[in-house]
Amino acid sequence: AQKVTQAQTEISVVEKEDVTLDCVYETRDTTYYLFWYKQPPSGELVFLIRRNSFDEQNEISGRYSWNFQKSTSSFNFTITASQVVDSAVYFCALSEAPKRSNDYKLSFGAGTTVTVRA
Amino acid sequence: SQTIHQWPATLVQPVGSPLSLECTVEGTSNPNLYWYRQAAGRGLQLLFYSVGIGQISSEVPQNLSASRPQDRQFILSSKKLLLSDSGFYLCAWRQGPTEAFFGQGTRLTVV
Repeated sequence: AQKVTQAQTEISVVEKEDVTLDCVYETRDTTYYLFWYKQPPSGELVFLIRRNSFDEQNEISGRYSWNFQKSTSSFNFTITASQVVDSAVYFCALSEAPKRSNDYKLSFGAGTTVTVRA
Repeated sequence: SQTIHQWPATLVQPVGSPLSLECTVEGTSNPNLYWYRQAAGRGLQLLFYSVGIGQISSEVPQNLSASRPQDRQFILSSKKLLLSDSGFYLCAWRQGPTEAFFGQGTRLTVV
């Protein structure tokens, strides 16, 4: 069974501080996919990144960076020099390879609420 | 380009009344479709997903049901709403293992 754990419920930082969001996943599959989403106050989920289990290369996109470590089953997300607009709920998600054709279940962690204060 | 439509945006319904939320996707064929619920201040709970017309997988036994009468249409229903059905309902689509794209959500308040 697939499971995603985001142990941090809320994080509050002052603008320009860095913030790291933890994500730990559980799966018995060797092929799986990991995602991060942002949910601003408007409610709509915004896709940020996808990683497959065969690609452990870390990625940087502007102020965002992701650290994927299979050895610890973690896929952590760091916002550098945070801004007020980064205030949102961030979700980590996991999708295992299908057991049946095209059967891709997508499970989310509980989310981490990030508040960036000016 | 692909788009996803979900309506209504907000809904206030009395306890015991029926529910029908509709989600449609444009610009893609045979997508996987998903219904999630988010209670206030909580995470995303997968309710149903569908890999094809008439194929529904239920994740959590509850007062809700889902149907997929057409390839790009996904409907969430209830015959009699409970107070505990209140929440933010999100529809999503994806193709295979790619990222999922979400609708704008429906805020349901059962009174």
